[in-house]
Amino acid sequence: GAGVSQSPRYKVTKRGQDVALRCDPISGHVSLYWYRQALGQGPEFLTYFNYEAQQDKSGLPNDRFSAERPEGSISTLTIQRTEQRDSAMYRCASSLMTGDNSPLHFGNGTRLTVT
Amino acid sequence: AQTVTQSQPEMSVQEAETVTLSCTYDTSENNYYLFWYKQPPSRQMILVIRQEAYKQQNATENRFSVNFQKAAKSFSLKISDSQLGDTAMYFCAFMNRPGRGNEKLTFGTGTRLTIIP
Repeated sequence: GAGVSQSPRYKVTKRGQDVALRCDPISGHVSLYWYRQALGQGPEFLTYFNYEAQQDKSGLPNDRFSAERPEGSISTLTIQRTEQRDSAMYRCASSLMTGDNSPLHFGNGTRLTVT
Repeated sequence: AQTVTQSQPEMSVQEAETVTLSCTYDTSENNYYLFWYKQPPSRQMILVIRQEAYKQQNATENRFSVNFQKAAKSFSLKISDSQLGDTAMYFCAFMNRPGRGNEKLTFGTGTRLTIIP
């Protein structure tokens, strides 16, 4: 596609439910990143992949958060047993390759609200 | 760990004037990349400009330029002839070069810039 696509655009869920957020990167992009952005803050790194391999998951806040990219393209970020503090904008970004100075292209994000 | 600091939470400037947004960072690495991203009210994240630390020449993209002071670990963004469409949050970001691990963008907390008509 022309850009990074994320779905859903908005997600409202009740506390305790599981949610799955989807990211479809730009075709051919090797690296895929997940970020979380609270209102009025900068994006906070969660995890990233090169192809299907998860390279760094140090930003995942706890074991309720997980991500996968099984075929090296589409990625899913899953939050289990959601809590109100999980409410934020979740952004996906992709680039041709990690750190080769190719810029990250961000999707428009999924705004998650946990009630 | 790398940190990025933006000390100006908010700024405003008259249309057509020049404005400079400041950014400092902390790293022990010698080679890395620096970026400025713009986030308009639509909440997209748009790359404005990037700088490679091994290049001494300051990057320029049309009305946007940077003042990269490597020794001072400073990376300010200058917007010339500001336009109403420049109103946005601006984030400074840092990335290690490949092979050093920690190859992720670390963002500052942002500066909210308002262009006044």
